[in-house]
Amino acid sequence: GQQLNQSPQSMFIQEGEDVSMNCTSSSIFNTWLWYKQDPGEGPVLLIALYKAGELTSNGRLTAQFGITRKDSFLNISASIPSDVGIYFCAGQLGYGGATNKLIFGTGTLLAVQP
Amino acid sequence: EPEVTQTPSHQVTQMGQEVILRCVPISNHLYFYWYRQILGQKVEFLVSFYNNEISEKSEIFDDQFSVERPDGSNFTLKIRSTKLEDSAMYFCASSEGTVWAFFGQGTRLTVV
Repeated sequence: GQQLNQSPQSMFIQEGEDVSMNCTSSSIFNTWLWYKQDPGEGPVLLIALYKAGELTSNGRLTAQFGITRKDSFLNISASIPSDVGIYFCAGQLGYGGATNKLIFGTGTLLAVQP
Repeated sequence: EPEVTQTPSHQVTQMGQEVILRCVPISNHLYFYWYRQILGQKVEFLVSFYNNEISEKSEIFDDQFSVERPDGSNFTLKIRSTKLEDSAMYFCASSEGTVWAFFGQGTRLTVV
């Protein structure tokens, strides 16, 4: 089945640093999404990307949909302690209901030292 | 802000017992999903539901699992005879269209 590999697995950074994480797949996806999960909580949607090459920002977060449609990256600028959590990429194959299940990546654990 | 709500937040059950996990999706959403996350692992798709029927299911979603939308607001996941390996966080999600799935807080199921 489809696999999404995220790297790095974990990051330990100082407050104020920029962060970059990425996600690669063996298959093409038509939509990429990035979620953040706090301990004991459900994933919260951060950014959705719909077109190959698209670059989208949401506050301090920037994400790009790779040209090959097999990868995506997420950058967080000027990290703050509340950025701590697990970041998941998720790929979606279908348009218009063909299949809209999400395939989740393996996650990147982010720890921010104040 | 509208949100997906799940009950209970934590359920402990004996192996072999039936459990029903409940979800109230966001009110104008049309697509409903269940995912699960075994402790320390990634989130895995179980089933999607649209227009009062299952639209897609994974290989995890075997005959022990069923979903139902008994009324206009609730969406349930039933596990008929729980096994130890069913212990996980179960997340309900909903979306208005085919993207932008919003997740609930999850139900932690512990099978003993």
